[in-house]
Amino acid sequence: EVQLVESGGGFVQPGESLTLSCAVSGFTLSSAWMNWVRQAPGKGLVWVSRIDNDGRNRIYADFVKGRFTISRDNARNNVYLQMNNLRVEDTALYYCVRDWWYSTDTWGQGTMVTVSS
Amino acid sequence: DIVMTQTPLSSPVTLGQPASISCRSSQSLVHSDGNTYLSWLQQRPGQPPRLLIYKISKVFSGVPDRFSGSGAGTDFTLKISRVEAEDVGVYYCMQGTQVPYTFGQGTKLEIK
Repeated sequence: EVQLVESGGGFVQPGESLTLSCAVSGFTLSSAWMNWVRQAPGKGLVWVSRIDNDGRNRIYADFVKGRFTISRDNARNNVYLQMNNLRVEDTALYYCVRDWWYSTDTWGQGTMVTVSS
Repeated sequence: DIVMTQTPLSSPVTLGQPASISCRSSQSLVHSDGNTYLSWLQQRPGQPPRLLIYKISKVFSGVPDRFSGSGAGTDFTLKISRVEAEDVGVYYCMQGTQVPYTFGQGTKLEIK
């Protein structure tokens, strides 16, 4: 069974950092592009970042450029999102998502990030 | 960025009746490779989203055949032939033709 399990969320103050992890199983991570998508409480879906199979190409939404870094370790079956200089507006449930034909076929349950003073 | 606009935002439907959701993009979703990367996702209450349809009309594995997608260019439609109770949730269109990927605002499907 294909599974994505996120971890690393938590409660932080503005300006602080967090690193999210996504542990994958049931498929070969090196065969897939991976995304992070977030959803603020009661709101819609917002794409954050994408990384290709070997990590050479990484793309970010404008609102996280320079603050967030996506990475992957195919040998350890993990995808990461390093988030620096967090803002109140980054508060959201962060989903790890597998890319499928420029869509998204597998989603984790998400990990909650709360940024508040 | 490509803006995705869904209508309606809320859709009360009677069980067993059809439902339809429209999605319009601010520019053509035809990719340089000739494909159109428009998909539909369903998010049931308290659950992560689930892929229903990709590339306009391809039904994803395990999705009931009462779901169908159509459209071209900038106008797309998701149809449910006969709504069942388990279809309650929020439906999103999503474009993957251009980065950043963008989603519609979501359409809440509820039972009358």
